[in-house]
Amino acid sequence: GAGVSQTPSNKVTEKGKYVELRCDPISGHTALYWYRQSLGQGPEFLIYFQGTGAADDSGLPNDRFFAVRPEGSVSTLKIQRTERGDSAVYLCASSFLQSGSSDTQYFGPGTRLTVL
Amino acid sequence: AQSVSQHNHHVILSEAASLELGCNYSYGGTVNLFWYVQYPGQHLQLLLKYFSGDPLVKGIKGFEAEFIKSKFSFNLRKPSVQWSDTAEYFCAVNAPTGTASKLTFGTGTRLQVTL
Repeated sequence: GAGVSQTPSNKVTEKGKYVELRCDPISGHTALYWYRQSLGQGPEFLIYFQGTGAADDSGLPNDRFFAVRPEGSVSTLKIQRTERGDSAVYLCASSFLQSGSSDTQYFGPGTRLTVL
Repeated sequence: AQSVSQHNHHVILSEAASLELGCNYSYGGTVNLFWYVQYPGQHLQLLLKYFSGDPLVKGIKGFEAEFIKSKFSFNLRKPSVQWSDTAEYFCAVNAPTGTASKLTFGTGTRLQVTL
């Protein structure tokens, strides 16, 4: 079956602009995660959803970042007033969590965001 | 808070050499442990995982890892590397809370295999 997909694959924007990054999880996966990967670093957690609600948003760096998952499937990460420091690869992952067990996260190809 | 250390940032090996990549984590409770691999131009893929049971875990492409609880380690090994193993390898950990749980990653190890 299809894996996690993310659009766009690349996004170049100017400082101060608003961007939206989209993630389509694996069909049937209930949990969806956003991570950010800067050059030379491992992915860093931003937020995750269990169904439609954000279960943990402790990794969002500030209030310019916001994410939604209105129907429990597709998610959009929104960044307002972008800054050059927001440049990174934004990764999405999904998992199918069965009650009481541990989950395995499957990653998408990422969106490379460049803020000029 | 959880943290993961990967001490080898860049490893260069010849084909057929043996591989061991170090991973140490810091967390006081029970953990799940993962190794992910990112081949050039591709996305992160799961190599292997440890949830419980036998601490020696076998993954895809001949990789294995051993969980040593007393050392807080989960080192990745392969007896004989191939040129196609050239990639970046990430160790990750999360807490098995019974609900979805964020991963904490190390900074990665870039493996370069020469012919």
